[in-house]
Amino acid sequence: DSGVTQTPKHLITATGQRVTLRCSPRSGDLSVYWYQQSLDQGLQFLIQYYNGEERAKGNILERFSAQQFPDLHSELNLSSLELGDSALYFCASSVGSFSGNTIYFGEGSWLTVV
Amino acid sequence: AQKITQTQPGMFVQEKEAVTLDCTYDTSDPSYGLFWYKQPSSGEMIFLIYQGSYDQQNATEGRYSLNFQKARKSANLVISASQLGDSAMYFCAMRSSETGANNLFFGTGTRLTVIP
Repeated sequence: DSGVTQTPKHLITATGQRVTLRCSPRSGDLSVYWYQQSLDQGLQFLIQYYNGEERAKGNILERFSAQQFPDLHSELNLSSLELGDSALYFCASSVGSFSGNTIYFGEGSWLTVV
Repeated sequence: AQKITQTQPGMFVQEKEAVTLDCTYDTSDPSYGLFWYKQPSSGEMIFLIYQGSYDQQNATEGRYSLNFQKARKSANLVISASQLGDSAMYFCAMRSSETGANNLFFGTGTRLTVIP
């Protein structure tokens, strides 16, 4: 158990809908990351927050947004869903954002868009 | 630009034998971290081992060791005494500030199958 908690574990929704994925980081971790893993794109970095502020953006679509709340939990909002958004979405956390800080992953949220 | 290369899409190993999973990387940042993660069929991403660019010794964690050759920019994972539960995808990843973002950049992974 990494200590990173993600909900829901599985989600099936229709095209055009909106979903919210939730993440609680490890105790003491200030940095939260979101990654998307799909068969054709592999593991892609989406976005990073550090202590409530956006720190870095990766390949995140404009239809997607995220935030980190004062209690450090984070949510990833996916809207106007398309079939291609079906993927495994990981939340991860680390103490800080230095290159030596290990990033621990949650179990992921499986999203299926039908 | 950052790049992680895993050239072995799949590997097979006999139970109780050792196996080496290859990883090469490229970055212009002198300070970086190299990580290996295991992803079983259930999907979770499990941290295995870390090597810092300034570490003088190769990292070890139980049956996992990292063969770090800085001049060759390689960070191969060695799993000793393979077990059936080691069957999984293995990802090499790098973290550096080259892109201004200290997030992990992943390779394409190697699928390891342990044969009884």
